[in-house]
Amino acid sequence: DAKTTQPTSMDCAEGRAANLPCNHSTISGNEYVYWYRQIHSQGPQYIIHGLKNNETNEMASLIITEDRKSSTLILPHATLRDTAVYYCIVRAGTSYGKLTFGQGTILTVHP
Amino acid sequence: GAGVSQSPSNKVTEKGKDVELRCDPISGHTALYWYRQRLGQGLEFLIYFQGNSAPDKSGLPSDRFSAERTGESVSTLTIQRTQQEDSAVYLCASSPYRGSNTEAFFGQGTRLTVV
Repeated sequence: DAKTTQPTSMDCAEGRAANLPCNHSTISGNEYVYWYRQIHSQGPQYIIHGLKNNETNEMASLIITEDRKSSTLILPHATLRDTAVYYCIVRAGTSYGKLTFGQGTILTVHP
Repeated sequence: GAGVSQSPSNKVTEKGKDVELRCDPISGHTALYWYRQRLGQGLEFLIYFQGNSAPDKSGLPSDRFSAERTGESVSTLTIQRTQQEDSAVYLCASSPYRGSNTEAFFGQGTRLTVV
């Protein structure tokens, strides 16, 4: 599965949009982009995933560039409860299971 | 059950003892994963079960670690002759098998402390 690169940490003001980037320049055609987050002392939580089209759900939006070499997770109105480590994961369509977590981005939402 | 359940939530054991950690996946989920997370570190893949297929054991760090799963139900992770470096949170996750396009649901983990 392709490797991802994320910034180590980011800050965001409460109520503003949080835009978390992820580079996956070696992604191949059958690989999906997944985002999870881990709030302190909890298990990871699925947020969203996509292949090439932009996706939106009740938690976030996922914007994937046309060449699919990078993506951005958008939390439209960040709250203090969104403070967490955010993981961007790329997984092939045939790699059932074995989500490979990197170091992620520590997002701190401040008042 | 409503989610993935892991037990015990906390376990303190003496170095050299064996421990068993249990995971109850969400009913109907055919895929089950174990991860380890050391303090301040990321998630380290250990093992993956999918239905009746041979498990992917590529992440098990040594032969002291083993895991079993009966059918599509409970899984146990066993660590023999525990060492202090085994201290970590052990996380279990399950997902429904619909190809790879599925989300994994994680339990709250078992915090293992080896003293």
